[in-house]
Amino acid sequence: GQQLNQSPQSMFIQEGEDVSMNCTSSSIFNTWLWYKQDPGEGPVLLIALYKAGELTSNGRLTAQFGITRKDSFLNISASIPSDVGIYFCAGPTNSNSGYALNFGKGTSLLVTP
Amino acid sequence: SAVISQKPSRDICQRGTSLTIQCQVDSQVTMMFWYRQQPGQSLTLIATANQGSEATYESGFVIDKFPISRPNLTFSTLTVSNMSPEDSSIYLCSVVQGNFISGANVLTFGAGSRLTVL
Repeated sequence: GQQLNQSPQSMFIQEGEDVSMNCTSSSIFNTWLWYKQDPGEGPVLLIALYKAGELTSNGRLTAQFGITRKDSFLNISASIPSDVGIYFCAGPTNSNSGYALNFGKGTSLLVTP
Repeated sequence: SAVISQKPSRDICQRGTSLTIQCQVDSQVTMMFWYRQQPGQSLTLIATANQGSEATYESGFVIDKFPISRPNLTFSTLTVSNMSPEDSSIYLCSVVQGNFISGANVLTFGAGSRLTVL
């Protein structure tokens, strides 16, 4: 599938700080998705983006679909300890299944009280 | 969205043995996928489980190693055969949420089955 480059690989922040992470693709996407995975759980969808330039919020989370359609970012404002987890960007795959997702390598977030 | 139950949630297995993971969905779904997540890594698509026909495998994954069954629209199994320590991973079942479209679809995931091979 297409390569998804996600950064940073990990972040260690204090409660209350804002967080920003991004994802770039080697090819153009028509959809960007952001997931969060808590320890011992499967990934859970946070935000889905369907249009270039789109800016979408979900509580303290905001994500944008880049104008070039090759990138997206996710911001978390005023982080809290329960934001701890691994955040994955995801996009379409050109693999044998046209309907599955290709995932970035993830950003591991640690929040200290 | 669909609720997905996976069994077992975790297991410790001996090298050379095989283990079958079950995925049960609370509603009929057309598209079902199996992913692998190796320790500290991202999710890698293993295959699409097709109802009534052979699964569609991704590059690097073969039916002999990862046989998949999909007898109906709510259930699938993934077997990890002849396991080695390199197979220690979380195996995740997922389904398309809502009506699927070409391109990327929103996927819902089970909690995963964490296998440790000694």
